[in-house]
Amino acid sequence: QKEVEQNSGPLSVPEGAIASLNCTYSDRGSQSFFWYRQYSGKSPELIMSIYSNGDKEDGRFTAQLNKASQYVSLLIRDSQPSDSATYLCAAEGGSQGNLIFGKGTKLSVKP
Amino acid sequence: DARVTQTPRHKVTEMGQEVTMRCQPILGHNTVFWYRQTMMQGLELLAYFRNRAPLDDSGMPKDRFSAEMPDATLATLKIQPSEPRDSAVYFCASGLVGTPGEQYFGPGTRLTVT
Repeated sequence: QKEVEQNSGPLSVPEGAIASLNCTYSDRGSQSFFWYRQYSGKSPELIMSIYSNGDKEDGRFTAQLNKASQYVSLLIRDSQPSDSATYLCAAEGGSQGNLIFGKGTKLSVKP
Repeated sequence: DARVTQTPRHKVTEMGQEVTMRCQPILGHNTVFWYRQTMMQGLELLAYFRNRAPLDDSGMPKDRFSAEMPDATLATLKIQPSEPRDSAVYFCASGLVGTPGEQYFGPGTRLTVT
């Protein structure tokens, strides 16, 4: 059973701080990883993808991948109250292109 | 702008009734996914299609759930008979074969079975 594990939180950080979200995955064959953001009552939306070891930066967001440790993280710099949401980590599940999602980490950014 | 649409947005029904949810993927997208989201289980993949052909429906309870794509602009998920444990938000997502992780989600159907 392929799994993606995340700490459910909630993770609470003050405005302007760095929020660090983490996940681990079970399938060593997974090559592609994604972070989706889901606001309360809304649908998930893709915010970051990462395919190779190391860091990938996009504005205030940095995704980090360590395939040896089977570990993916998302850093949000200068956190804003508008970043308050649940963040879902996903790994590509196989050759057919499906995704395996973690249960999500709820982030709360306090003004 | 292009987006995935789902109908109905909310559905309340009694146990034993048939429920049909519909999804219109983004025009040109050739993969369609059905997910179910609950607090306990998170986001679970029920079924997915590529070029309208079902690739995997192993996540669905086969005895009561069925998923189809009668044409490229319509995907359906049917539950018959419905049970209280089916209460959840059902999402449809679409994407392209070449970018499998980039899925665009519809607004969801919130189903309540009493």
